[in-house]
Amino acid sequence: QQQVKQSPQSLIVQKGGISIINCAYENTAFDYFPWYQQFPGKGPALLIAIRPDVSEKKEGRFTISFNKSAKQFSLHIMDSQPGDSATYFCAASIWGSNYKLTFGKGTLLTVNP
Amino acid sequence: NAGVMQNPRHLVRRRGQEARLRCSPMKGHSHVYWYRQLPEEGLKFMVYLQKENIIDESGMPKERFSAEFPKEGPSILRIQQVVRGDSAAYFCASSSDRGWGTEAFFGQGTRLTVV
Repeated sequence: QQQVKQSPQSLIVQKGGISIINCAYENTAFDYFPWYQQFPGKGPALLIAIRPDVSEKKEGRFTISFNKSAKQFSLHIMDSQPGDSATYFCAASIWGSNYKLTFGKGTLLTVNP
Repeated sequence: NAGVMQNPRHLVRRRGQEARLRCSPMKGHSHVYWYRQLPEEGLKFMVYLQKENIIDESGMPKERFSAEFPKEGPSILRIQQVVRGDSAAYFCASSSDRGWGTEAFFGQGTRLTVV
């Protein structure tokens, strides 16, 4: 049973555009929601994370929006750049065991120049 | 400060052989976590270790897989009698005593191919 569903599977955006990736979770015990960025041949790197006490968190061009009642969260990349081209994974875990992440299947983002 | 080091980067094994994957945590980190990434899938948690102790192995397959993190040396993920379904990228991460959160970093992974 997949507990974190991520969409779309792939996304093509023009430089300067907004990239939006969505995730939905099933386990209501989840209370830690990070996003990871992975370049080919590299390990995932933490991009930004949110806990359910806030509905939005922004760090530079990256914003997480969180909807607890809908059990959904999304990543917005503003002013997308070719260097943002990578695979993005959403994940969820229970704080206190937040190493035990449940990952989505990933979104391959391509930003065209 | 070197990052998390995994070796080998690529490993090819024939069915039935053993695979040994090594992970050296970042300097000052004493917690190691192993994840597996199957093709077209997200990462899946396998095991969490501290020096000489297995803290959580709830994601480890019951047979053929084992992990250790000795007092000296790297953490080792061992897969005995490999099968084609073991072909995947295996990532380890490490963290300080502060735990996961923003303190954990992944290595570049070992890509295991079973032929």
